[in-house]
Amino acid sequence: SQELEQSPQSLIVQEGKNLTINCTSSKTLYGLYWYKQKYGEGLIFLMMLQKGGEEKSHEKITAKLDEKKQQSSLHITASQPSHAGIYLCGADIGTSYGKLTFGQGTILTVHP
Amino acid sequence: DAGVTQSPTHLIKTRGQHVTLRCSPISGHKSVSWYQQVLGQGPQFIFQYYEKEERGRGNFPDRFSARQFPNYSSELNVNALLLGDSALYLCASSSIANYNSPLHFGNGTRLTVT
Repeated sequence: SQELEQSPQSLIVQEGKNLTINCTSSKTLYGLYWYKQKYGEGLIFLMMLQKGGEEKSHEKITAKLDEKKQQSSLHITASQPSHAGIYLCGADIGTSYGKLTFGQGTILTVHP
Repeated sequence: DAGVTQSPTHLIKTRGQHVTLRCSPISGHKSVSWYQQVLGQGPQFIFQYYEKEERGRGNFPDRFSARQFPNYSSELNVNALLLGDSALYLCASSSIANYNSPLHFGNGTRLTVT
C-alpha cells in the first residue's frame, strides 16, 4: 500500500465549481508539500506546510495540515481550466534522510 | 533566475546500455535530489546530494549511481538498462538539505528503454 494516499485519484469538474483533494498518511508528516504537474513535465511547487493546524493560501488555492499532522487537504475555489493538471502531495515521513515520499497524484480536469 | 535545468530532455536507449543524465540546480542551491516517475505514479526518491556528499538513498539497485560536482551540478548514471527503467527522471534542488526547504523540480528527462 502507498505510504501517502491521495483521494480522489481523478476529478472532473465544471468551471466555477469548488473542489478538494486529500492526502493521508499513517505516519506523522514532518513537512508536507503540494505540487502541480502538467503531463510529462516537471513539478511546480505550490505550498509547504509544517505545523499542525497550519493553513496557507495562494490565489484560489488553499492547503491545510490537520492538527495531528497526518492529513492534508488542498481546496480550489471557483475552478478554472488553468487549474487542470496532476496534483501531488509530497512529505517527509521520517523514513530516510532527505527523502520526500509522494502520493500517486490526483488528475484534475476542468470543463469550460 | 534560471530554474533547475536538465539534459537531455528525451533519450532512447537499448537494454543493457548505460545512460548519464545531467542536472544544474538553481543558483545558490547546494542540495540536489533525483526522482524516478513511472507513468501514472508519483515520483520515487533515488538519491539526495548535499555539498557533494550523498545524504540519502532510496530503494534502487546498485546500477543507479550519482555524483555532485563542485559547482553543485549533478549526474545520474544508470548501468545495464532494463525495460523497467523507462520513466521520467526528475532532478530537484533546494537551498538546504532537510525538509524545511522546498524542492524545486526541473522538467525532467524522459528515458525510453527498448
